[in-house]
Amino acid sequence: GESVGLHLPTLSVQEGDNSIINCAYSNSASDYFIWYKQESGKGPQFIIDIRSNMDKRQGQRVTVLLNKTVKHLSLQIAATQPGDSAVYFCAETPNQGGKLIFGQGTELSVKP
Amino acid sequence: NAGVMQNPRHLVRRRGQEARLRCSPMKGHSHVYWYRQLPEEGLKFMVYLQKENIIDESGMPKERFSAEFPKEGPSILRIQQVVRGDSAAYFCASSPAGSNQPQHFGDGTRLSIL
Repeated sequence: GESVGLHLPTLSVQEGDNSIINCAYSNSASDYFIWYKQESGKGPQFIIDIRSNMDKRQGQRVTVLLNKTVKHLSLQIAATQPGDSAVYFCAETPNQGGKLIFGQGTELSVKP
Repeated sequence: NAGVMQNPRHLVRRRGQEARLRCSPMKGHSHVYWYRQLPEEGLKFMVYLQKENIIDESGMPKERFSAEFPKEGPSILRIQQVVRGDSAAYFCASSPAGSNQPQHFGDGTRLSIL
């Protein structure tokens, strides 16, 4: 069946360190992937996306890596800040648009 | 530049009542999606709509749930005869037309069933 899962449910890092959040997906037909950040009481906030014809994409302080061979996605956050504390979800879509399939989420906690 | 607007933010209903959740997409977005989130879980897809059309309702429960996105006005998610298990956060997202466009989310409606 379809599933997107995360390797670690919680991640605690020191302020200023880099964070890496991992995600595994099972649908080889998925061609578009998104990382979202969700703070308590709010909706998911778009961070960065990547299409299946790419293996790396960079944004401001964030990088997404896609390894289609092992169906693995990761989000790297450079110089993690207290404001980065949230739950992070990866999501995939196998239909070139349409529904997103979400993973369970990783809670990132940044210690000052 | 308003984002996706959902209302109400919180909704309390007694078992057997109806719940109506509203979603106004971002300006320029013609695609609307509804998701449900249970505590400590990820979001689960429910339905995907375009104006006056249901594109994919594979995540909708077979009974009591319906959704619409009329030509004018917001998208509505309707839950009839609510039960305790319907308690959850319901999120709406919107995207522009075209494949592989990011979906942008509202802040959700927290539905509580007494």
